[in-house]
Amino acid sequence: AQRVTQPEKLLSVFKGAPVELKCNYSYSGSPELFWYVQYSRQRLQLLLRHISRESIKGFTADLNKGETSFHLKKPFAQEEDSAMYYCALSAANTGNQFYFGTGTSLTVIP
Amino acid sequence: ETGVTQSPTHLIKTRGQQVTLRCSSQSGHNTVSWYQQALGQGPQFIFQYYREEENGRGNFPPRFSGLQFPNYSSELNVNALELDDSALYLCATHQPQETQYFGPGTRLLVL
Repeated sequence: AQRVTQPEKLLSVFKGAPVELKCNYSYSGSPELFWYVQYSRQRLQLLLRHISRESIKGFTADLNKGETSFHLKKPFAQEEDSAMYYCALSAANTGNQFYFGTGTSLTVIP
Repeated sequence: ETGVTQSPTHLIKTRGQQVTLRCSSQSGHNTVSWYQQALGQGPQFIFQYYREEENGRGNFPPRFSGLQFPNYSSELNVNALELDDSALYLCATHQPQETQYFGPGTRLLVL
């Protein structure tokens, strides 16, 4: 069965420190992985998707099929990065359903 | 700001009642997905509609049903409400295989 696991519900880092939000998945096929972000009082929005291989707002994420991980990283955290982050998987063999993790709340301490 | 809107923003119902939630699609998007987000959880996929036909369903009972209209707006209907149906309901519209744009959600409380 498809599953997305985000082991940390809460994560605090100091401004300027590196940040890594962990995401592991289980899926037997070739998944498409995403990171969504929800800033305070805003709606859920796409941060990045693995197939585009972009860096958005300084964040990157690499799909590691061997470790079934898609960790989100940023070398220097900023206060405006404080938000809720969700990892999601799209499963092509199940009608492109999206499976979301439980989310990690990131707080960047000034 | 995206063009996806949802109504109502908040709703209170009692057990056994029925509820209809609405979602308007962003221009050009012919696919809509509905999600239930319980407190402290990530969004859970309910179902997806593509060009007015159901195109995938998550692990939700049949009392959760939907409609998509020719203008691609959509409804989520829940019958025989239960306390556990209390949650934030999100819709997201998109083109197939493309980025999903989420609405602000409807918060449902079942008493």
